[in-house]
Parts: sequence; structure tokens; C-alpha cells
Amino acid sequence: DAGVTQSPTHLIKTRGQHVTLRCSPISGHKSVSWYQQVLGQGPQFIFQYYEKEERGRGNFPDRFSARQFPNYSSELNVNALLLGDSALYLCASSLEAGANTGELFFGEGSRLTVL
Amino acid sequence: GENVEQHPSTLSVQEGDSAVIKCTYSDSASNYFPWYKQELGKGPQLIIDIRSNVGEKKDQRIAVTLNKTAKHFSLHITETQPEDSAVYFCAALNSGYSTLTFGKGTMLLVSP
Repeated sequence: DAGVTQSPTHLIKTRGQHVTLRCSPISGHKSVSWYQQVLGQGPQFIFQYYEKEERGRGNFPDRFSARQFPNYSSELNVNALLLGDSALYLCASSLEAGANTGELFFGEGSRLTVL
Repeated sequence: GENVEQHPSTLSVQEGDSAVIKCTYSDSASNYFPWYKQELGKGPQLIIDIRSNVGEKKDQRIAVTLNKTAKHFSLHITETQPEDSAVYFCAALNSGYSTLTFGKGTMLLVSP
């Protein structure tokens, strides 16, 4: 069975550019969450989507946005990239959301480097 | 918001020894506590979890304990093996915000 798949695995951008990261959840999972992991730290919550609606948002600027499609896949967009946006961006899928989020299954992540 | 503290930041043990990693959380509304193992270059992998209605859970060499009163939970790995070497993260789910808050991680090194 396919797990959570993310693309691209690695990418390099320059300051001020825009990036789009993509995620396909485990088959049957309706919720997708995005996390940012800076080197040496634990993942930090960015967004959660369930049934195409935003169900949670972390403490990130408006430059960060996301959406979920009818097939439950998701995109994370970051505008006006800063050096500090360099990180591993993790997508996680779960059956439910909110109080029933329960088990989160992570993908391998997209490693973003901003120069 | 929720705050999760994790200790120690690094842990070195000999193969066959036990390893214990401890976490504390701040928000009494949290009700789900997973542990993740992250190997170099990979995403976090769920290894065990516990909900607030139980005090202990075991899965072969791995166990997790939860003390709701003290707001702390621990990961216990027995008979450690070199392949257990990785970074381990604890996390807490706040039911009101549907988010997992992670600790800063523990790098576990198991020497043969």
C-alpha cells in the first residue's frame, strides 16, 4: 500500500520566489496536515485540511497558504520566500480531523533550500 | 497554547541496555500522545501512541507511560539494538485545536 507521497523531494529557490509543494494522502484518509521542520527541531504545525476545508492553522504568516482537492490531495504554497523558510516540509494524513485526528502518518518530506 | 518539553536531547546507550525518554506537556486538554522515530533523511514514523484514558501501553520492546496528573509521559525502549539509533520525538494533541505539538527531539545512539 502506498503511504503519503510528497513532491518534489528537494528544491532550491531564491529569496522572493514562490514555491508549491504537493502531497497525496494514504488512500481512504480524508485529512491532510502540513508541518515545517527546521534542522534540529521538531515539526511545527502549519495547516490542517479535512474534506477540502481548513480545520486548523498554525502561527505562520499569510505568505503560507494551502488547499485540498476533491481527491484529498493537497498543495502548500509559500510566497515571497525568505531565507528562514528553508526547512523540511512534511505532509501528514489521517482518517479524521480535529479532536479525532488520532494517528498521523507522515511522508518523507520536501526539503526546501532558499538562497 | 500547548508546550511540550523533551529530555534528554541526546542519549547514548550500549546495545542491550534500556533507554528512557521523558516529556512534559502544559495543556491539560491534550488527550493523545504519540511518539515518532525519525531516521536521517526520512519523515517521522509513528512507533507507539497513548490516549489519556490509559496509563501504559506496550508493543514488544517499546512501552509508553502517561501520568495525567503530573502531565508527563515517557518512552521506554528495552533491549536496545543499533537499528534503534535515530531521533525520537514526543508530541501532544490538543483536542481543541486539532494540532500536534512536538518536543525538540532526542537523538538516541545505540553502540554495538
